[in-house]
Amino acid sequence: ETGVTQTPRHLVMGMTNKKSLKCEQHLGHNAMYWYKQSAKKPLELMFVYSLEERVENNSVPSRFSPECPNSSHLFLHLHTLQPEDSALYLCASSQITGDYEQYFGPGTRLTVT
Amino acid sequence: AQKITQTQPGMFVQEKEAVTLDCTYDTSDPSYGLFWYKQPSSGEMIFLIYQGSYDQQNATEGRYSLNFQKARKSANLVISASQLGDSAMYFCGGGGSNYKLTFGKGTLLTVNP
Repeated sequence: ETGVTQTPRHLVMGMTNKKSLKCEQHLGHNAMYWYKQSAKKPLELMFVYSLEERVENNSVPSRFSPECPNSSHLFLHLHTLQPEDSALYLCASSQITGDYEQYFGPGTRLTVT
Repeated sequence: AQKITQTQPGMFVQEKEAVTLDCTYDTSDPSYGLFWYKQPSSGEMIFLIYQGSYDQQNATEGRYSLNFQKARKSANLVISASQLGDSAMYFCGGGGSNYKLTFGKGTLLTVNP
């Protein structure tokens, strides 16, 4: 595997479910990010991890819980989501935290029913 | 805080012609950078080009060039010799002294054969 991978690619979950999104980067980067992309809205930064430490939480509701066990893996744990949380969730990584050149995964298309 | 504005929801261009995608920005950060990403239908964001606010010359990367006009606060993307594979969403963005990258709403480019 090369680049940034995300699983699952598609996820449908009910409002009472608990699920997790997984991201893995094979680039040796030090920073990882979660973004949310909703229809007709700009890409929104959710979380930033630098060397496994969270350095940015962009006012994200607590029903989204990130986890970064090591510099290659990033998770987004989801629980009691709302229908408006349906979106494309993109993971990215970069060599330097806050770098403009980030490498993105293909995203997880999440639908909350 | 940065604000990125892309006023063209969609653009059409004939194959082999050049096209300009508009982007304006507003920032209070004295040192900032501007960039463009491409998002094909497969979902992943692909970094294209970057311009630092202190760079004297416009950035170029192959067929991509960034027309940076500081006085107008614009950072338009010019794609020369369009190809069918250029059909995608294009996002302008900016970043300053923190970890946050701000993206515009995007422009959907369609290249016609």
